[in-house]
Amino acid sequence: SQQGEEDPQALSIQEGENATMNCSYKTSINNLQWYRQNSGRGLVHLILIRSNEREKHSGRLRVTLDTSKKSSSLLITASRAADTASYFCATDGSFHGSSNTGKLIFGQGTTLQVKP
Amino acid sequence: KAGVTQTPRYLIKTRGQQVTLSCSPISGHRSVSWYQQTPGQGLQFLFEYFSETQRNKGNFPGRFSGRQFSNSRSEMNVSTLELGDSALYLCASSLDVGGRNTEAFFGQGTRLTVV
Repeated sequence: SQQGEEDPQALSIQEGENATMNCSYKTSINNLQWYRQNSGRGLVHLILIRSNEREKHSGRLRVTLDTSKKSSSLLITASRAADTASYFCATDGSFHGSSNTGKLIFGQGTTLQVKP
Repeated sequence: KAGVTQTPRYLIKTRGQQVTLSCSPISGHRSVSWYQQTPGQGLQFLFEYFSETQRNKGNFPGRFSGRQFSNSRSEMNVSTLELGDSALYLCASSLDVGGRNTEAFFGQGTRLTVV
């Protein structure tokens, strides 16, 4: 079953604009990860944020985490056509015991289109 | 460091056949997980192996199985293939420090088509 819901499902912007994607989840977590997937290919790891962190940056990416609201957001600044992809958040299942280690629970993803 | 390698990249099989997919994790990573991705169901967890033991299993029928070897390489097998098994199968490896998830790195996937 899907843990998270991502919002919006699809986003279309112009190059140079910022893109914000949101992810909500249902249970307590140890960490949350964001991934990018280009059409039909593997997932590229973007960033991991731990439950005791509120914000993290990596290049043009900024991730926030609000554990009280069980939500996270991914901001891509100064977007480029090459950022066109699907973006997924994934939460870990290990919070609820060792039986859930190694299990990531994914949202349905946000499809981002950046127009040149 | 080489990334996660999945073979083959593409497969076409007939209903009723079986298939074996292979995954070589990043060197030093001992946890290997498998996921199925379909347009309808999204990314679904299949199972996870650590030190040759299956530690966690998703909600898939027994036709889906896997194993991990002493060098951490993993295989998954699907028997009696059904049309609905057509999907992108993704493998991920991670360091798994202290039994908690660390960053998981994915391979390019194997695209399985069942006809």
